[in-house]
Amino acid sequence: AQKVTQAQTEISVVEKEDVTLDCVYETRDTTYYLFWYKQPPSGELVFLIRRNSFDEQNEISGRYSWNFQKSTSSFNFTITASQVVDSAVYFCAPRSGNTPLVFGKGTRLSVIA
Amino acid sequence: GAGVSQSPSNKVTEKGKDVELRCDPISGHTALYWYRQSLGQGLEFLIYFQGNSAPDKSGLPSDRFSAERTGGSVSTLTIQRTQQEDSAVYLCASSLLGLAVSDEQFFGPGTRLTVL
Repeated sequence: AQKVTQAQTEISVVEKEDVTLDCVYETRDTTYYLFWYKQPPSGELVFLIRRNSFDEQNEISGRYSWNFQKSTSSFNFTITASQVVDSAVYFCAPRSGNTPLVFGKGTRLSVIA
Repeated sequence: GAGVSQSPSNKVTEKGKDVELRCDPISGHTALYWYRQSLGQGLEFLIYFQGNSAPDKSGLPSDRFSAERTGGSVSTLTIQRTQQEDSAVYLCASSLLGLAVSDEQFFGPGTRLTVL
């Protein structure tokens, strides 16, 4: 069974600040994927990124970057130069085998102009 | 192309009534998932359909909940004798292969169910 902890319930930042969203997961599987989804006020979840457990290379895509540390079971997500449109609830979710995604409780990010 | 659609977008019902929620997945997607999101909570898995295989019902909270998927496409989630604690947003998602652990899930806009 998998478990996800997103310790930050809510974060508020001022526009243009960088913000990191934390995710710690538990899994007994050696092969798995990790996902981040965004849920804007409209309610529809939007896929952001995925990372497999064999690839710990951190990556940057535009204003998004992620830091996967298998040794600490963490998969943190950073938004640089935050914008008001980034305001949303962000969910981290691991998945292994033929199982559904296991979502954390999410982190509500508010970016203030 | 069209995304995942769900209907109705909002449903208000009285305690004890049955409700049916509909999900139209993306055409060609073999896997379909139902989740529930209660106020201030994360997403709770309910049920998962993969092709013609028997569905994974391990997340259904009680026997009042059931779901079917006809013709490998449209799915209906039925809640019988609704209770106030059933009030939540019910989200449907589909994915192309389902069995591939890397498969991205595409979500619908959800149905907000309110049980009075």
